[in-house]
Amino acid sequence: EEELLESGGGLIQPGGSLRLSCTASGFTFRDYTMTWVRQAPGKGLAWVSSINGGGHNSYYSDSVNGRFTISRDNSKNILFLHMTNLRADDTALYYCARDAPLDIWGPGTMVTVSS
Amino acid sequence: DVQMTQSPSSLSASIGDRVTITCRASENINIWLAWYQQKAGKAPKVLMYKGSRLESGVPSRFSGSRSGTEFTLTITSLQPDDFATYYCLQYDSYPRTFGQGTKVEIK
Repeated sequence: EEELLESGGGLIQPGGSLRLSCTASGFTFRDYTMTWVRQAPGKGLAWVSSINGGGHNSYYSDSVNGRFTISRDNSKNILFLHMTNLRADDTALYYCARDAPLDIWGPGTMVTVSS
Repeated sequence: DVQMTQSPSSLSASIGDRVTITCRASENINIWLAWYQQKAGKAPKVLMYKGSRLESGVPSRFSGSRSGTEFTLTITSLQPDDFATYYCLQYDSYPRTFGQGTKVEIK
């Protein structure tokens, strides 16, 4: 079965850093672009970042560009999101998803930025 | 960046009703649009992709269409399991952009 499972979320102070992981199983991970999407409490879905299968091309939303870095380890089938200089408005449930068209999603990991 | 304008933001409907949700792209995205259903506390689930292709396992009461930059999701006979929030997503270009969502509630 094709599955994704995020981990690494938690409570972090403003200005802090956090690394999210997404472990894939049941499909050939390196063949797919992978994406992070977030959803602030009570709000809609927001695309965060994507990385192509080989890991050489990455894309970011304006709101995270320069603060977040997406990467992947195709030998271990893991997608990462390294988040720095976190702000209160980064508080959200973070999902990883298989692209395109985001057909497989993990259950999400919650990131709360608060002092 | 491509802007996606989704309407309505919410609607109330009864079991058996026909429901239509629309997303308009600010520029040409060809067929590269997907529709998602999200229930409270759950990850989104893809319903349609390439504008009008039904994802495997999704009931045939869901359908999608395209007219230029306007895309429509139709539920022909609303069922109890369909009460949820629906989102469109353009995946023609980066940044990917979602519509604002449509909450379908029970009348």
